[in-house]
Amino acid sequence: AQSVTQLGSHVSVSEGALVLLRCNYSSSVPPYLFWYVQYPNQGLQLLLKYTSAATLVKGINGFEAEFKKSETSFHLTKPSAHMSDAAEYFCAVSDRLQGGGADGLTFGKGTHLIIQP
Amino acid sequence: DTGVSQDPRHKITKRGQNVTFRCDPISEHNRLYWYRQTLGQGPEFLTYFQNEAQLEKSRLLSDRFSAERPKGSFSTLEIQRTEQGDSAMYLCASSPKASGRRTDTQYFGPGTRLTVL
Repeated sequence: AQSVTQLGSHVSVSEGALVLLRCNYSSSVPPYLFWYVQYPNQGLQLLLKYTSAATLVKGINGFEAEFKKSETSFHLTKPSAHMSDAAEYFCAVSDRLQGGGADGLTFGKGTHLIIQP
Repeated sequence: DTGVSQDPRHKITKRGQNVTFRCDPISEHNRLYWYRQTLGQGPEFLTYFQNEAQLEKSRLLSDRFSAERPKGSFSTLEIQRTEQGDSAMYLCASSPKASGRRTDTQYFGPGTRLTVL
């Protein structure tokens, strides 16, 4: 079964500093990987996705992530944090259920990003 | 392009009552997913439809949970005999038909927050 581990339930960075949110996955099949952002009392918005094409994926709002198969990682980065980046971030892996059934996503527990002025 | 909508946004009910939530996917998206998100956790996959067919329901939390998508458009999630442990955010997502069996991007609605007293 697929699983996702997000290291650090809370990450605090200063405005203008590098953002690094960590995600490690396990999967028995080549994975599809996703990063979503969730603002308070809202649904999830896709930031970026990896679907076996380029290993460095660029997303919205200046975020990018690199797929590293040898490390089973898909860390999310942004060169310069902005106050508006404060939110909950979720890493997810595409799940292929036993028997080739539906592809629900398996999510990590999330990382709360705090931006210090 | 109208996004995924969910109704109601908030529901407060007493333990033992039945509740029903509605999800309207993005037009022409043939796949529809339901997730549950409890406080401090990532979304948890519950069930999945392709058109009107419910292709995966083994992840539904108990036999008190059921979902329908009778005409392949909107979907409903019903919880019978609610318990306090059912209090959570219920998220709906939709995705377009993807090649093969692998999940393409899922677009999430704003969720329905259920509080069971």
